Amino acid sequence: GENVEQHPSTLSVQEGDSAVIKCTYSDSASNYFPWYKQELGKGPQLIIDIRSNVGEKKDQRIAVTLNKTAKHFSLHITETQPEDSAVYFCAATTRESTDYKLSFGAGTTVTVRA
Amino acid sequence: GAGVSQSPSNKVTEKGKDVELRCDPISGHTALYWYRQSLGQGLEFLIYFQGNSAPDKSGLPSDRFSAERTGGSVSTLTIQRTQQEDSAVYLCASRAFYGGVYEQYFGPGTRLTVT
Repeated sequence: GENVEQHPSTLSVQEGDSAVIKCTYSDSASNYFPWYKQELGKGPQLIIDIRSNVGEKKDQRIAVTLNKTAKHFSLHITETQPEDSAVYFCAATTRESTDYKLSFGAGTTVTVRA
Repeated sequence: GAGVSQSPSNKVTEKGKDVELRCDPISGHTALYWYRQSLGQGLEFLIYFQGNSAPDKSGLPSDRFSAERTGGSVSTLTIQRTQQEDSAVYLCASRAFYGGVYEQYFGPGTRLTVT
């Protein structure tokens, strides 16, 4: 099955700086890579995703890059704000199946210092 | 509209007791997933329901775990003879099942503590 590794496990950044989280995956058939943000006491919420036919996707201060050859993908948050503090999870699945069971990384706890 | 809801939000139970966790998916979403989130860990897939098809139970950790989905909507995850290692947050997610849609919407979870 798919194995997703995520680094770092914790990340502390100064407000206004950038944050980068990296994930690797093992199954070359995986082709859909979502990122979730989980705030305290809440369920994970999708913030951005990328599919294997693109290498980069941006949405305001958030961007995700994908390197299929190396089997890794990254989340970039620019101009971090206190509300970006949360746990972030990467995930992977293959769209060829119809179940889209997600394999998750272990999560990164991001703390933005004011 | 309403999102995915789960109940109870917190459950404390004694070792050996049975527990039932409930998930109400988004109306119209035919795909439903259960995940388990242990402290400091990522989300672990447990079970998947899609319409009237047989569920994919491949992630259930033992035969003490079972789940059902009635009428293609509400789902119940049952853990029998709970053990301390069952303590975790149990998350439910639902997804609209039509081509090109992949996003899973998560509920707030049920925090289970087995004493």
